[in-house]
Formats: sequence, C-alpha cells, structure tokens
Amino acid sequence: EDKVVQSPLSLVVHEGDTVTLNCSYEVTNFRSLLWYKQEKKAPTFLFMLTSSGIEKKSGRLSSILDKKELFSILNITATQTGDSAVYLCASNTNAGKSTFGDGTTLTVKP
Amino acid sequence: DADVTQTPRNRITKTGKRIMLECSQTKGHDRMYWYRQDPGLGLRLIYYSFDVKDINKGEISDGYSVSRQAQAKFSLSLESAIPNQTALYFCATSETTDYGYTFGSGTRLTVV
Repeated sequence: EDKVVQSPLSLVVHEGDTVTLNCSYEVTNFRSLLWYKQEKKAPTFLFMLTSSGIEKKSGRLSSILDKKELFSILNITATQTGDSAVYLCASNTNAGKSTFGDGTTLTVKP
Repeated sequence: DADVTQTPRNRITKTGKRIMLECSQTKGHDRMYWYRQDPGLGLRLIYYSFDVKDINKGEISDGYSVSRQAQAKFSLSLESAIPNQTALYFCATSETTDYGYTFGSGTRLTVV
C-alpha cells in the first residue's frame, strides 16, 4: 500500500522565521511528488517534482526531491501570516493516482 | 465561474438516506477524482475516472458509487448514508498524470 508521511504535524512560528516541512514516501511506480497549500477549503497546487536534486522555487517557497532517500522538503523563508495553512504532500504514480499525507499545519504569528 | 464546481456546498442528511454530490468542470480535463477529508487527516481517494467510460475504485470506495455522465460531470452517491461518512468531500480534475489537481470548493456533509 502506498504511503506518504509528513512531519511535523503542526508548527507555530513567528513572522520572518524560516520553516522546513518534510515529506517521506513509499510508493509503487512513483512518478512525481506534489505539494499543495490548503487555507480554508480547497487545496491549491504549489509544486510538482520529478527529478532528484533540482530545486523548484516560487517566491519565498522552494522544494526539492530526493528519490534515493524517498523524501521531499518544502522550505518557506521570511514567513508571513498569510503563509498560515495546511501544507499537503502527495505522491503521484504512473497510473495517475495521488496518495496524500496527513498534512502539516503551519501557524505564523505576527 | 469556478473551474470546478461542487454542489451542494453543505448538506445535513439522516442515516439511511441516499444522497448525491455533484461535480462539474470547465477545464476540459478527462481525469476526475473524488476525495474525502476528515479532520486532521489528508485526502483519501474514493473513486476516479480517466474518461467517460472509465471508472475506478480508490482506497475507500465501500458505501459509495459514482457516475460519469459526461466529460465535464462526475457525481458521487452515498447509497445509504451512515454517520462515519460525515466528512469534507472534494472533487478534483487534472489534465494528465504530470499536472497537479484543480479542486472544487468542497462539500461538507454531515450524517446524523
């Protein structure tokens, strides 16, 4: 059974801090690793990673994949209160199905 | 209009009732999915469809059924609702395996 585990489950930081969210996976026929941000209702897509060692970057967010060690990290620098959300990691298989982790709840205090 | 529209947004129903959740999309994507989310947990796949004639069970399909009426429409039915089906239900679409999902706003279902 495919499995995705995220850590920590929750995190409280202050504005300006840098955070690192972790995602490990055990997936048959792995194709890609995706990150989503869920604020109030629907998750929104952040990144898709398919190759090891290549950083994807969008503003203050960046992510990298290690296919040998089967994990990914999501970094957020200079955090803002608007970064407060649940961050979901999902593995995608060649069959086109995604398995999600339970998410990391990030709270950024002013 | 939203790319992926789910109706209803909220629903309270009684145990044993049949209920249908509807999803329509304007993205033109072939792939559609139904997930449920319980508090503090990630999303679990109920059913998915890669085209109108293709329906597949996900990891938690028991107690649910789906219908793909057209490329744009994918509905989820609870044949006889039970309280542990109380959850937030999401419909999603994707273009291919190499793209992230576009989610609907969700349906919050409460079974009493």
